Amino acid sequence: DVKVTQSSRYLVKRTGEKVFLECVQDMDHENMFWYRQDPGLGLRLIYFSYDVKMKEKGDIPEGYSVSREKKERFSLILESASTNQTSMYLCASSPPRRSDYEQYFGPGTRLTVT
Amino acid sequence: AQSVSQHNHHVILSEAASLELGCNYSYGGTVNLFWYVQYPGQHLQLLLKYFSGDPLVKGIKGFEAEFIKSKFSFNLRKPSVQWSDTAEYFCAVSPNFGNEKLTFGTGTRLTIIP
Repeated sequence: DVKVTQSSRYLVKRTGEKVFLECVQDMDHENMFWYRQDPGLGLRLIYFSYDVKMKEKGDIPEGYSVSREKKERFSLILESASTNQTSMYLCASSPPRRSDYEQYFGPGTRLTVT
Repeated sequence: AQSVSQHNHHVILSEAASLELGCNYSYGGTVNLFWYVQYPGQHLQLLLKYFSGDPLVKGIKGFEAEFIKSKFSFNLRKPSVQWSDTAEYFCAVSPNFGNEKLTFGTGTRLTIIP
């Protein structure tokens, strides 16, 4: 069974703090993704990575950065947290595209920035 | 760039009613299509997917979806819903070639009344 784990379920941070969200997958997947989920907006892609040390911007990368030093781990970094980054953050992983391709999601981290 | 529209934001049905959730996408080329479900307090998980072949796709828990290319649609159906189908449902699209990111719709919240 594919497992995607995220370091925290709930996180409360102050404005201006540097925030690290960690994601680990155990299926040796090449692809990893970070989304944020907001009511009425669905899931929006922040960043994704096809391989170690490789990253590409998604649809809403502003205010975020990522790091992928090892294949199984993909970190999302909020350099200086702001209240508009209060959201649910979801990590996902997938194998490369093929007929059984799907993204597997973690449980999410609910981040509140005060 | 691709986009996805889910016009039903919140649907309320009684148990045993039939369900159809709309999904329309915008993209000029060949696509892969997905429906994901998020039950209360649980991970986002795949319901079904379409890659090629038979446009009528069957998924888990009695759900099915039909890909109608001429209408750019991939509506989700279930003939008789149960209280346990209460969840949020997301349609997603990915181009058949190029990058492997998913673009999600804004989601439909489904509430089933016992």
